[in-house]
Amino acid sequence: GENVGLHLPTLSVQEGDNSIINCAYSNSASDYFIWYKQESGKGPQFIIDIRSNMDKRQGQRVTVLLNKTVKHLSLQIAATQPGDSAVYFCAERGAGGTSYGKLTFGQGTILTVHP
Amino acid sequence: DTGVSQNPRHKITKRGQNVTFRCDPISEHNRLYWYRQTLGQGPEFLTYFQNEAQLEKSRLLSDRFSAERPKGSFSTLEIQRTEQGDSAMYLCASSLIQGQAAAFGSGTRLTVV
Repeated sequence: GENVGLHLPTLSVQEGDNSIINCAYSNSASDYFIWYKQESGKGPQFIIDIRSNMDKRQGQRVTVLLNKTVKHLSLQIAATQPGDSAVYFCAERGAGGTSYGKLTFGQGTILTVHP
Repeated sequence: DTGVSQNPRHKITKRGQNVTFRCDPISEHNRLYWYRQTLGQGPEFLTYFQNEAQLEKSRLLSDRFSAERPKGSFSTLEIQRTEQGDSAMYLCASSLIQGQAAAFGSGTRLTVV
């Protein structure tokens, strides 16, 4: 399944499918991007990050793609499992000055994985 | 070290009362952040400390809000004269260096009745 943008903040997939979650970020000067997973009642949990000098980074079952031209970030989850069900947020970090380190979060996408 | 710790986990208070939350970051982390999250939204930045210095505050942080990190370790966030609109999850995060993703605590859920 594929989330076509923030107009569809929910994504429902079957166990074993690949999932793609998309995010549009706002600040062309942002130099660092992070995907977080947040389960109910918990704080955001780091999944994967990418710097602006890269366009792809892979982790275990997850891949992040960055397209700076259109300010778009995506998270691909391979072989999605029920434990992946959560809300996924992208976050961007502005560069320079005292804002360095502060994260600006996107809207979030609810991922539901059906067994 | 078990990560970022926040206390209490839940707080219910009457409108007009003052509340204080505590955050214990990962021990070697010198950067500490407070965020606020309302239902269905992503976390919103409130304030940032590097060691004991408060280097940035969001315009969301009204004069009823104050944060401290007196010894550069734990931090407190106080809300005075709470309002129903203050009901939210208050998240604390910490990191060691600029290039590192912040680690979040589980948050304090505040309900103002």
